[in-house]
Amino acid sequence: GAGVSQSPSNKVTEKGKDVELRCDPISGHTALYWYRQSLGQGLEFLIYFQGNSAPDKSGLPSDRFSAERTGGSVSTLTIQRTQQEDSAVYLCASSLDRGSYEQYFGPGTRLTVT
Amino acid sequence: DAKTTQPPSMDCAEGRAANLPCNHSTISGNEYVYWYRQIHSQGPQYIIHGLKNNETNEMASLIITEDRKSSTLILPHATLRDTAVYYCIVRGYSGAGSYQLTFGKGTKLSVIP
Repeated sequence: GAGVSQSPSNKVTEKGKDVELRCDPISGHTALYWYRQSLGQGLEFLIYFQGNSAPDKSGLPSDRFSAERTGGSVSTLTIQRTQQEDSAVYLCASSLDRGSYEQYFGPGTRLTVT
Repeated sequence: DAKTTQPPSMDCAEGRAANLPCNHSTISGNEYVYWYRQIHSQGPQYIIHGLKNNETNEMASLIITEDRKSSTLILPHATLRDTAVYYCIVRGYSGAGSYQLTFGKGTKLSVIP
């Protein structure tokens, strides 16, 4: 079946611009995670959505970062006034259960801020 | 969450079994062992998980020792496409809250033609 999809696959933006990254989770998966991964580094948790519950935003690095999930499905991660240190691969993952470590990742969006 | 220790790198001949070890001596009774891998320039991929019994799926087998202090991920017939960094993590369930993943340094498996 269809896996997690993300768009765009690559995004190059100028410093100071806003960007929106999209994630389509696997149908029926109620939990959705955003992570980012800088070159050669590990996973950095950003935000978690579970059904209609309030999201866990504890990983967002600054107030320039926000995310929403509409209708319990598609999610958008928005970065305002991008900085060069925001350059990374942004990964979305979904899982079937309320919360599970069995997570299925999308291919990621490679963001480059120039 | 229990800490895991993995060798930094391993080589395996194509077509042979790849056996990737993981030590987790401080694992507690309700913690599961999970394996993921990350192929270069791709997102992480879930492989398998287990509690105390050995597990097998279409990708791999997971062998957990009786004392649960270590485990081995087995790729029965490694192919070049299995070249990746393999991560062993040990996590438990705490009820409410999120279950974000964190990876250590993992084992870089190189499958040699």
